[in-house]
Amino acid sequence: GESVGLHLPTLSVQEGDNSIINCAYSNSASDYFIWYKQESGKGPQFIIDIRSNMDKRQGQRVTVLLNKTVKHLSLQIAATQPGDSADYFCAETFGYKLSFGAGTTVTVRA
Amino acid sequence: EPEVTQTPSHQVTQMGQEVILRCVPISNHLYFYWYRQILGQKVEFLVSFYNNEISEKSEIFDDQFSVERPDGSNFTLKIRSTKLEDSAMYFCASKEADPYNEQFFGPGTRLTVL
Repeated sequence: GESVGLHLPTLSVQEGDNSIINCAYSNSASDYFIWYKQESGKGPQFIIDIRSNMDKRQGQRVTVLLNKTVKHLSLQIAATQPGDSADYFCAETFGYKLSFGAGTTVTVRA
Repeated sequence: EPEVTQTPSHQVTQMGQEVILRCVPISNHLYFYWYRQILGQKVEFLVSFYNNEISEKSEIFDDQFSVERPDGSNFTLKIRSTKLEDSAMYFCASKEADPYNEQFFGPGTRLTVL
């Protein structure tokens, strides 16, 4: 069946350090993946995406890595800042819908 | 920057009552979605809508749910007879075109069923 799941439910990071959030997916037919950030009381906010024909994509302070062999997706945040504290969800596109993972809560320590 | 808007921000209703949640997607977007998020849980897909018809729906989206695009700007989710377990945040999203475009999410409507 199709599912997207996360390895760690919570992540505490020292300000300035790098963060890595992991995600496993099971649907090999998924061809587009997105990382969303969700702050308390708000809707998901797009961070970065990657297509299945790529294995790495970089944005501003963020990098997404895709390993199709083991069906693994990760989000790296460089020099984590207090404003990065939020819930992070990976999502895969299958058909018309996004399937979200369970989410990881990132807390940045000052 | 264009954004998806939703009204109301918070809706309180009695069990068994009908509710309509409203969304205004980004104007040039063609695909529209509803998701829900029960407190503390992940975001769950409800339905997608394209070309004035449902393109896909989840098992959550049963006969109590319906969607409509009554005019060129609004996209609504109706729950005919609300249940306690319908209490959740409901997010509308829209997307410009297939296949590889991000979905833009609205701020959500918090539905509380008493």
